Amino acid sequence: EVQLVESGGGLVQPGGSLKLSCAASGFTFSGSAMHWVRQASGKGLEWVGRIRSKANSYATAYAASVKGRFTISRDDSKNTAYLQMNSLKTEDTALYYCTRGYCSGGSCYFGGYWGQGTLVTVSS
Amino acid sequence: QSALTQPASVSGSPGQSITISCTGTSSDVGGYNYVSWYQQHPGKAPKLMIYDVSKRPSGVSNRFSGSKSGNRASLTISGLQAEDEVDYYCSSYTSSSTYVFGTGTKVTVL
Repeated sequence: EVQLVESGGGLVQPGGSLKLSCAASGFTFSGSAMHWVRQASGKGLEWVGRIRSKANSYATAYAASVKGRFTISRDDSKNTAYLQMNSLKTEDTALYYCTRGYCSGGSCYFGGYWGQGTLVTVSS
Repeated sequence: QSALTQPASVSGSPGQSITISCTGTSSDVGGYNYVSWYQQHPGKAPKLMIYDVSKRPSGVSNRFSGSKSGNRASLTISGLQAEDEVDYYCSSYTSSSTYVFGTGTKVTVL
């Protein structure tokens, strides 16, 4: 059974930092891209970024709204992806989900599996 | 990268078909066959309903279908049921190697 479990959310002051984790099981983590998606309360979904597999050079990409402030990394030995968030703003307050991506042979998508999300609140 | 444009709400009667549009640009929807659709119940994680414009993941009802023409993608729900009354989002790969979501559509079953 595929499982994605996010953790690390909490309350942080504007300008602060937080590191989220996404522990994966039930699939070949090392061969999968991992994406982060967030959703502010009562709002729509926003794609945050992704990291590809070692075979794809661990390439990362980020939404313009977080580029330069957020960093995605992974530890394949621990089947875990991370989202390091720096210089946090009040508008970063949201539920953060991790999700598995797939891109190969003319097919490219994410979201076949999702975690339950971890809540990040940026407030003074 | 601006969000893809979806109607805020779409409604239909039980048994009818409805279509949700997702309008982007040649840099996203129009440029790639990598449009996905997600269904989201309140308080739950999204569920992938369509990927690569028109492919259905295993287990998704064949009442859901996707298509694309130019910069506009569409999700059609046929045989509308009460359980379909939730939120739907499209997403697309972009020329910046990123992804972008649509603004979201609330479906109402009359």
